Amino acid sequence: DTGVSQDPRHKITKRGQNVTFRCDPISEHNRLYWYRQTLGQGPEFLTYFQNEAQLEKSRLLSDRFSAERPKGSFSTLEIQRTEQGDSAMYLCASSLKRDSPTDTQYFGPGTRLTVL
Amino acid sequence: AQSVTQLDSQVPVFEEAPVELRCNYSSSVSVYLFWYVQYPNQGLQLLLKYLSGSTLVESINGFEAEFNKSQTSFHLRKPSVHISDTAEYFCAVSDPGNTDKLIFGTGTRLQVFP
Repeated sequence: DTGVSQDPRHKITKRGQNVTFRCDPISEHNRLYWYRQTLGQGPEFLTYFQNEAQLEKSRLLSDRFSAERPKGSFSTLEIQRTEQGDSAMYLCASSLKRDSPTDTQYFGPGTRLTVL
Repeated sequence: AQSVTQLDSQVPVFEEAPVELRCNYSSSVSVYLFWYVQYPNQGLQLLLKYLSGSTLVESINGFEAEFNKSQTSFHLRKPSVHISDTAEYFCAVSDPGNTDKLIFGTGTRLQVFP
């Protein structure tokens, strides 16, 4: 079990550019989550997938944000026309949904985005 | 909407001293409660969780948390901390009707000094 991995770990971009992040969940985990964490705050939920289906999107996820999980394995999060307010740590988590009350979410190390 | 409050942004303690990290949540319904820890340059790791049953839950490294429904609290405690416990601790809540997303507090940085 190699854990959740995210790439890149750091990204610096200029305002207006597009960026894409990748998340590889733990093998066979059917749920994948994206969170955003700004300085001094806890992680905030953005969206999640059950296999390839995107089941919920937060209001934080503006039209410039899009997430995909095309084959139910890895996921990408794209931000178009980045703004300075997008600077944050983007966290990915995965879990194995069973019939139990709740499933533990395992987090990756995050991608730190800096928009200049 | 549910929310989680961690009143202490930083807690400095000396090694081997006891510590309590406070967490309060706002919800009128039953919830699931979690503590996550984030060591420097690492991802969030689940420390312990309360789903139901005994109100006192323990982790493998000596931390414990007690669910108090009347006070809507889930404080984290350890009787004797180590230098290696230095980290950011996040309390989180999920709605049993929608366990798919976690709502986190702002975190408490525990700094253990020798």
